[in-house]
Amino acid sequence: DAGITQSPRYKITETGRQVTLMCHQTWSHSYMFWYRQDLGHGLRLIYYSAAADITDKGEVPDGYVVSRSKTENFPLTLESATRSQTSVYFCASSVGTSGPNTGELFFGEGSRLTVL
Amino acid sequence: GQNIDQPTEMTATEGAIVQINCTYQTSGFNGLFWYQQHAGEAPTFLSYNVLDGLEEKGRFSSFLSRSKGYSYLLLKELQMKDSASYLCAVVDSNYQLIWGAGTKLIIKP
Repeated sequence: DAGITQSPRYKITETGRQVTLMCHQTWSHSYMFWYRQDLGHGLRLIYYSAAADITDKGEVPDGYVVSRSKTENFPLTLESATRSQTSVYFCASSVGTSGPNTGELFFGEGSRLTVL
Repeated sequence: GQNIDQPTEMTATEGAIVQINCTYQTSGFNGLFWYQQHAGEAPTFLSYNVLDGLEEKGRFSSFLSRSKGYSYLLLKELQMKDSASYLCAVVDSNYQLIWGAGTKLIIKP
């Protein structure tokens, strides 16, 4: 019962390949988020989900696809990876009883992706 | 546009007190978060302020002034383990979270 887990933790891929980053939470939190973190930038939101089958774009959604068929899982897919998608990706969840950012975020350990 | 400003880096001495400032310009305000992030790790929640004033939680305190668009995180009795980045984030009128770039705090013995 690790709370929120991501896999893989480290991934190296090549330009043009499809990559899926997995995120699983055991708390049944309503909201789940995908962020990327790059040097010199704050955390940037890629996509978020308010519940199963409800997803919405964040600040930087281009080149990414998400799905949420079950409450506990929120995979992020890079359809055709580019070098600019080299980053650390964090999945997060929150209870959010009053909206998407009305409670603290619980982050996964992060997935470090390198695109060659 | 929406903006969060924090110093990029600060240095302090073990046992001392340090104040990390955060100023924001956002479309509306629905709360401000502080998170701690150790190098190579995920952010972890420190505090949440929605009303003006000081909230104390052990060695850490967070202050908010909504009229000035200003918050600070106060760390007392600094320990080496406090070396980390501190992230300020504001919830805007659409309940979107706007993140600062973070302040890297270096603690020296």
